[in-house]
Amino acid sequence: DAMVIQNPRYQVTQFGKPVTLSCSQTLNHNVMYWYQQKSSQAPKLLFHYYDKDFNNEADTPDNFQSRRPNTSFCFLDIRSPGLGDTAMYLCATSRELAVYEQYFGPGTRLTVT
Amino acid sequence: KQEVTQIPAALSVPEGENLVLNCSFTDSAIYNLQWFRQDPGKGLTSLLLIQSSQREQTSGRLNASLDKSSGRSTLYIAASQPGDSATYLCAVNNAGNMLTFGGGTRLMVKP
Repeated sequence: DAMVIQNPRYQVTQFGKPVTLSCSQTLNHNVMYWYQQKSSQAPKLLFHYYDKDFNNEADTPDNFQSRRPNTSFCFLDIRSPGLGDTAMYLCATSRELAVYEQYFGPGTRLTVT
Repeated sequence: KQEVTQIPAALSVPEGENLVLNCSFTDSAIYNLQWFRQDPGKGLTSLLLIQSSQREQTSGRLNASLDKSSGRSTLYIAASQPGDSATYLCAVNNAGNMLTFGGGTRLMVKP
């Protein structure tokens, strides 16, 4: 049974055209994360939500925003995608912060043309 | 700032070999360490989670050890199979559940 679901799995968008990626979870976890993984690189944390509290990493570009309307869903909005935003975007959840395991979704592969 | 290094970056072995993947980290003040598997173009599958108070965890043919004081973890894969071919990532959990990932080890197991 899928626990962390990401849609779409593949997305192609044009340079500068806003795009939204979706993540949902059936685990009822308090924390949801968004990571960016560029080709042949390690995943890099963009931001996370603890319940409704949003926490942005210091070096996450302003172009990236996130919304969490309820416990189950979290969205990643890229306002004006650039070619350098082509990457795999991974959503993850954990029950709480600190010692808990993170569960990852299958990812959305975004291509900016 | 936490830095995580994985050695080797790539590994090719014949089927049946036992192998060890290495992960080192610079800041030993961690909550836990996770090992993940990633198939090409796919998301991350969690393999093992070791809490900072633990020395090792086992799941099937996989065994992960943690030496927090020296900043090292190893993932041992017994009797490797072609289906084990993937990239293996270790990630360290510091304050606030922020994972810092290593660069990964690309494993190829040849039939």
